[in-house]
Amino acid sequence: NAGVTQTPKFQVLKTGQSMTLQCAQDMNHEYMSWYRQDPGMGLRLIHYSVGAGITDQGEVPNGYNVSRSTTEDFPLRLLSAAPSQTSVYFCATGWYTGELFFGEGSRLTVL
Amino acid sequence: AQKITQTQPGMFVQEKEAVTLDCTYDTSDPSYGLFWYKQPSSGEMIFLIYQGSYDQQNATEGRYSLNFQKARKSANLVISASQLGDSAMYFCAMREGAGANSKLTFGKGITLSVRP
Repeated sequence: NAGVTQTPKFQVLKTGQSMTLQCAQDMNHEYMSWYRQDPGMGLRLIHYSVGAGITDQGEVPNGYNVSRSTTEDFPLRLLSAAPSQTSVYFCATGWYTGELFFGEGSRLTVL
Repeated sequence: AQKITQTQPGMFVQEKEAVTLDCTYDTSDPSYGLFWYKQPSSGEMIFLIYQGSYDQQNATEGRYSLNFQKARKSANLVISASQLGDSAMYFCAMREGAGANSKLTFGKGITLSVRP
């Protein structure tokens, strides 16, 4: 029972490089989201999706793109990485009114 | 204005004692939910407890209880009989509204250290 799987767990990028953080869930939830966690800032919502083909922006969407072609997958794309995007990223899924279930996190460093 | 406020910079508690972690929230939506999550040093986010805005009784889950004071807009987490494994960061969160566009907003967290 995997729940929410994020890959990679660690990544180092150079400024300007692109990458995709993968998120897959096997819980059959419609709702998926991406958060970033920075020291002293808590978790901030980047993008979310309420179903395949539907995405929307959260609190800090700039510099990130998402798509949702299937219920299971919700990748987060950084098109041109910046040092300000150094963070720990969490993917989460759940029902609209219930708690979220989180992946283990992906630690990204942009040099 | 912050939607979720957690102002305690860090908390210490003796093993086996109870501890209260403070959380205040701000919303004009009559329908909302309050959550507490635990993040140990290993980094994963663990759901602890949930309180709905229309719930009449305070939520409890084992050693965790939520002291919900609606008029004061506070949702403090009470951990009874602290254990060494309770040492972690704790986040309060709020979901406003209902349906597909509701979002979960997190506070900045509180660090709890349990002393043996």
